[in-house]
Amino acid sequence: NAGVTQTPKFQVLKTGQSMTLQCAQDMNHEYMSWYRQDPGMGLRLIHYSVGAGITDQGEVPNGYNVSRSTTEDFPLRLLSAAPSQTSVYFCASSPRDRVSNTGELFFGEGSRLTVL
Amino acid sequence: AQSVTQLGSHVSVSEGALVLLRCNYSSSVPPYLFWYVQYPNQGLQLLLKYTSAATLVKGINGFEAEFKKSETSFHLTKPSAHMSDAAEYFCAVSRTSGTYKYIFGTGTRLKVLA
Repeated sequence: NAGVTQTPKFQVLKTGQSMTLQCAQDMNHEYMSWYRQDPGMGLRLIHYSVGAGITDQGEVPNGYNVSRSTTEDFPLRLLSAAPSQTSVYFCASSPRDRVSNTGELFFGEGSRLTVL
Repeated sequence: AQSVTQLGSHVSVSEGALVLLRCNYSSSVPPYLFWYVQYPNQGLQLLLKYTSAATLVKGINGFEAEFKKSETSFHLTKPSAHMSDAAEYFCAVSRTSGTYKYIFGTGTRLKVLA
């Protein structure tokens, strides 16, 4: 049972470099999202998607891009990495309930990114 | 706009004692509320959720939470703490006027003392 798979688990970047965090889910979930987790700040929503071809911004979208070409994949791109983007990133998906939006979030194990 | 406030970033209890983790929310529409748990170096997993049915919600591992509209609260409790309960706990709210965003609190780290 793969669930939500994130790669890589660890990454070190230099300031200005770009990279993509991969997220894939095999549960046919419509809803996918990216969060960053920082000490004392909980999880903050970066971007989310309610289906293939549809994305929207969360609380902290600056410096990140996403796309959703398939139901399964939702990559997060860092365009020009900055030290402020050092964080743990979580991808989460949900079987969206169209009426009530009460779907449980299923999380990946996280990707720890350090920007020097 | 929705928001969630968790009072107390760190809570310590003795093994066998009552666990009480506090969560207050603000929402312009009837909220859906969740508690998630995160063990070290893992992702989050759902403990329980409130979706406007029963106000007292029972979850996994003996946890429960009560939705109190008058107090805008959704506190998490467990009658008797176990060492394995040591983790970080997050309260979250979803359902914003037609959009679909989960907003999380800042988390409470629970320490269980032997």
